Amino acid sequence: ETGVTQTPRHLVMGMTNKKSLKCEQHLGHNAMYWYKQSAKKPLELMFVYSLEERVENNSVPSRFSPECPNSSHLFLHLHTLQPEDSALYLCASSQDPRVNTEAFFGQGTRLTVV
Amino acid sequence: AQSVAQPEDQVNVAEGNPLTVKCTYSVSGNPYLFWYVQYPNRGLQFLLKYITGDNLVKGSYGFEAEFNKSQTSFHLKKPSALVSDSALYFCAVRYTGRRALTFGSGTRLQVQP
Repeated sequence: ETGVTQTPRHLVMGMTNKKSLKCEQHLGHNAMYWYKQSAKKPLELMFVYSLEERVENNSVPSRFSPECPNSSHLFLHLHTLQPEDSALYLCASSQDPRVNTEAFFGQGTRLTVV
Repeated sequence: AQSVAQPEDQVNVAEGNPLTVKCTYSVSGNPYLFWYVQYPNRGLQFLLKYITGDNLVKGSYGFEAEFNKSQTSFHLKKPSALVSDSALYFCAVRYTGRRALTFGSGTRLQVQP
């Protein structure tokens, strides 16, 4: 248990569906992140939030929409996804990213788009 | 470009033997270096980090890593491998001015009994 919880653990959705991934951290951290992990590829950083403000958006398609209502919660809203979006989506948190502490990861949501 | 390279997709080692998982990084400012491990169907778990100071860093589960500035490397090591060490290992770097970690592609470690 790392203190970062992701739900659901598994999700299957059609290309016309709308769904949301949820992440919650109990570590008192100020920064939260979404990463995408695809087979045989490096982890891809998607979004960074610091103190609830989006500070980095790595050219992610608009069909992925993040939301950070407070420093403990992070969502990833999904709509009209493509099969190539199937992957493991990992949430992470850390202290102020200007401080070089490690990030703590959730167990991920395995997303399958059919 | 800022990047991290893990040149081996897979490393095989016999139980009880020493193991090394390689990592090199591109030079840009003063990078901070991390190793993570991922077990099947799990998220990434932090193992160790190098920020400054002693080039040999000790971490969880008996792992250690050696920072070599001249070779821009940060190889992960363990003196005696266990079957339970079999997992996917990621090297990561945080470059100056970046908020998030840049990860390598991962190396699968297989420890045979």
